[in-house]
Amino acid sequence: EVQLVESGGGLVQPGGSLRLSCAASGFTFSSYNMKWVRQAPGKGLEWISYISSSSTTMYYGDSVRGRFTISRDNAKNSLYLQMNSLRAEDTAVYYCARATGVPGGGFQYYYYMDVWGKGTTVTVSS
Amino acid sequence: DIQMTQSPSTLSASIGDRVTITCRASQSIRTWLAWYQQKPGKAPKLLIYKASSLESGVPSRFSGSGSGTEFTLTISSLQPDDFATYYCQQYNSFWTFGQGTEVEIK
Repeated sequence: EVQLVESGGGLVQPGGSLRLSCAASGFTFSSYNMKWVRQAPGKGLEWISYISSSSTTMYYGDSVRGRFTISRDNAKNSLYLQMNSLRAEDTAVYYCARATGVPGGGFQYYYYMDVWGKGTTVTVSS
Repeated sequence: DIQMTQSPSTLSASIGDRVTITCRASQSIRTWLAWYQQKPGKAPKLLIYKASSLESGVPSRFSGSGSGTEFTLTISSLQPDDFATYYCQQYNSFWTFGQGTEVEIK
């Protein structure tokens, strides 16, 4: 069964740090690009970070760029999100998601999210 | 940045109704659009990708259409399991979600 399981969430004070993990199973993790998406309480979905299969390319959303770092360990089938300088507005459920690509002509692929974990909750509060 | 706008924000419907949700992009995204279903406390579930391709295992009462800047998700006959929030998402340039459409019981 294809599965993603997030962990590492919790309560942290403003300005603090937290590292989220996402364990993948049931598919060849090293062949897939991956993403983190978050959802603040009662709000919609927000993409925050992307990493390519071999870690050569990373992207970040404007709200987290410079504070969050995405990484992966293909030998451990794991994805990570290091979150620093946390703010109250970072309070959310954080999901990891697998990115599956569709060819768009030439060598370009377009990636949507086809498998999601159940999420881990991060609360930033004093 | 590409903005995605869904309408309506909330939709009241009955079992068996045909339901249509609209998603508009601030610029052309060709057909690089996905639709997701989310139930309270659960992760989003992929329904449609590339605007009209049905994800494996998703019931055929779900369908998607559109290209460019205007897209629709249609549920041909609403079932009890379909009451949820639906999000569109563009993946033409990075990734942006619509604000969501809650389908509630009438």
